[in-house]
Amino acid sequence: KAGVTQTPRYLIKTRGQQVTLSCSPISGHRSVSWYQQTPGQGLQFLFEYFSETQRNKGNFPGRFSGRQFSNSRSEMNVSTLELGDSALYLCASSNTGLNTEAFFGQGTRLTVV
Amino acid sequence: QQQVKQSPQSLIVQKGGISIINCAYENTAFDYFPWYQQFPGKGPALLIAIRPDVSEKKEGRFTISFNKSAKQFSLHIMDSQPGDSATYFCAASTGYSTLTFGKGTMLLVSP
Repeated sequence: KAGVTQTPRYLIKTRGQQVTLSCSPISGHRSVSWYQQTPGQGLQFLFEYFSETQRNKGNFPGRFSGRQFSNSRSEMNVSTLELGDSALYLCASSNTGLNTEAFFGQGTRLTVV
Repeated sequence: QQQVKQSPQSLIVQKGGISIINCAYENTAFDYFPWYQQFPGKGPALLIAIRPDVSEKKEGRFTISFNKSAKQFSLHIMDSQPGDSATYFCAASTGYSTLTFGKGTMLLVSP
């Protein structure tokens, strides 16, 4: 059974640019969550999608957005990048999202210069 | 604000020793408490999880102890091995809410 796949693995962007990250969940999983991981703040929740609908949202500015497609694949977008957006962005998939095991991808390392 | 406080920030244990990581939470509505293990360059992987209707859960060398009245839970790694060296995160959630993570503990098991 294939795991959670995140692409790309590494990205370098310039301040002011925008970026799109992709996540393919485990087959059959309908819930996809996104987290930002930084040394100072740890793992912080961005948003969760279930069956193409945003079900939960964290406390991040509107520059961070996401969507989920009918095949459960998800993308997140960050517009007008800031230096502070440099982080490891992790995607997690689960069957229903209800207190069930969440499987994480390896993440996308975003560096903003 | 929902918070999960984790300690210590880092831990060095001799091979064969017991590693203990503690977490405390505030939201009494939390009803699912997983622990994740993360190696450098990898995403977190679920290690073990507990629900508040039990006080202890053991899987191999890993044990979660849960104290509902104190709103605390801890991870014990028995017979710690160098391969256990990683960052460990406790987390908590309720219903369809997302996981709230502790800040993590970097564990180093010396040979």
